[in-house]
Amino acid sequence: ETGVTQTPRHLVMGMTNKKSLKCEQHLGHNAMYWYKQSAKKPLELMFVYSLEERVENNSVPSRFSPECPNSSHLFLHLHTLQPEDSALYLCASSPSPQGAVGYTFGSGTRLTVV
Amino acid sequence: GQSLEQPSEVTAVEGAIVQINCTYQTSGFYGLSWYQQHDGGAPTFLSYNGLDGLEETGRFSSFLSRSDSYGYLLLQELQMKDSASYFCAVINTDKLIFGTGTRLQVFP
Repeated sequence: ETGVTQTPRHLVMGMTNKKSLKCEQHLGHNAMYWYKQSAKKPLELMFVYSLEERVENNSVPSRFSPECPNSSHLFLHLHTLQPEDSALYLCASSPSPQGAVGYTFGSGTRLTVV
Repeated sequence: GQSLEQPSEVTAVEGAIVQINCTYQTSGFYGLSWYQQHDGGAPTFLSYNGLDGLEETGRFSSFLSRSDSYGYLLLQELQMKDSASYFCAVINTDKLIFGTGTRLQVFP
């Protein structure tokens, strides 16, 4: 375990389903992030939260909706996804958004949209 | 725009030395980080260079030249467990921008 826990590890959903990904960290970090990792592509930053406020939305479609109820928890709500949204979704945290110290990543949720 | 370039794949044998290069184009550059990711695992932080020069951490070293927009990760005394993907990442104001990753395969 890295200190950042993501659930579920695997998820298969239909295009009309609604599901949520969960991320939890107890490292005392103030910033949390969602990244998407697809084959042969760089990790793509989706959202940045600093002290529970969203500070970055990297042109992500509205079918992805983040929620950060407190500094330890981050959710990604999914609805009406497309097959091309199938990917590994990684959550990360860092002491502050200026992440020189290094981000701590969770192991990810492998999402398959059918 | 922003981009990071690194080789897609590198192979080497146990005990060898490997250098993975990274060139970048970005605005608001604060530093360069390196991450390791084993298949099915989480990316893990390896090193950070905020200033020009070499940073050494055990068998791994990382180098940065800000004037050349270039850095590298040097892995010495390679072990089988070093087989993984390695990502360079630019710290850009308040976020990390990742390269496409280099898959390192270490053979006996």
